[in-house]
Amino acid sequence: EDKVVQSPLSLVVHEGDTVTLNCSYEVTNFRSLLWYKQEKKAPTFLFMLTSSGIEKKSGRLSSILDKKELFSILNITATQTGDSAVYLCAVEWGNTPLVFGKGTRLSVIA
Amino acid sequence: DSGVTQTPKHLITATGQRVTLRCSPRSGDLSVYWYQQSLDQGLQFLIQYYNGEERAKGNILERFSAQQFPDLHSELNLSSLELGDSALYFCASRPRLGQGNNEQFFGPGTRLTVL
Repeated sequence: EDKVVQSPLSLVVHEGDTVTLNCSYEVTNFRSLLWYKQEKKAPTFLFMLTSSGIEKKSGRLSSILDKKELFSILNITATQTGDSAVYLCAVEWGNTPLVFGKGTRLSVIA
Repeated sequence: DSGVTQTPKHLITATGQRVTLRCSPRSGDLSVYWYQQSLDQGLQFLIQYYNGEERAKGNILERFSAQQFPDLHSELNLSSLELGDSALYFCASRPRLGQGNNEQFFGPGTRLTVL
């Protein structure tokens, strides 16, 4: 059973649209949730969330965590073609290293 | 560039063979993680080393082994290769606790093709 579930699995939008990617998890002794962007090769770090309700923001990307409902969202506003990638969510709990979800593949069309 | 290096970039070999993948973590990072990424399984954690010692094990097959050397570089050994071992293998390193965001930095990966 998957502990980290991302939705949707894939998404196609037009440039300028706003998108919301979801990540839900089912773990005990939660430590942190991380978002990564993966284009052609290695995942690159976006955000790390440990506390509920505190928004992390970087340019057009933002993310927030809800530890009560056990999920996080990643928002991208005014999408650009360069945002096309697979977005990975990963959760760390107890002594377990990062467990990744299967990712959301975002395609932004000009 | 994350500062994590992996060699080789590509590896093509035959079933039954053995290969070694190499990873050098970012300067100062003591933790090294190995991941396997295949199309249908996503990013799967294999094994973690910290300062030369095995720290955690994930879904690593018995045919696979790893080690971390005194200079902190790590090697992942894959033996008796099967077609299903074809995948991207990533190495990641992590700063010490209290440094940065404590996130993992990924290397560029080694693409292994088993024919």
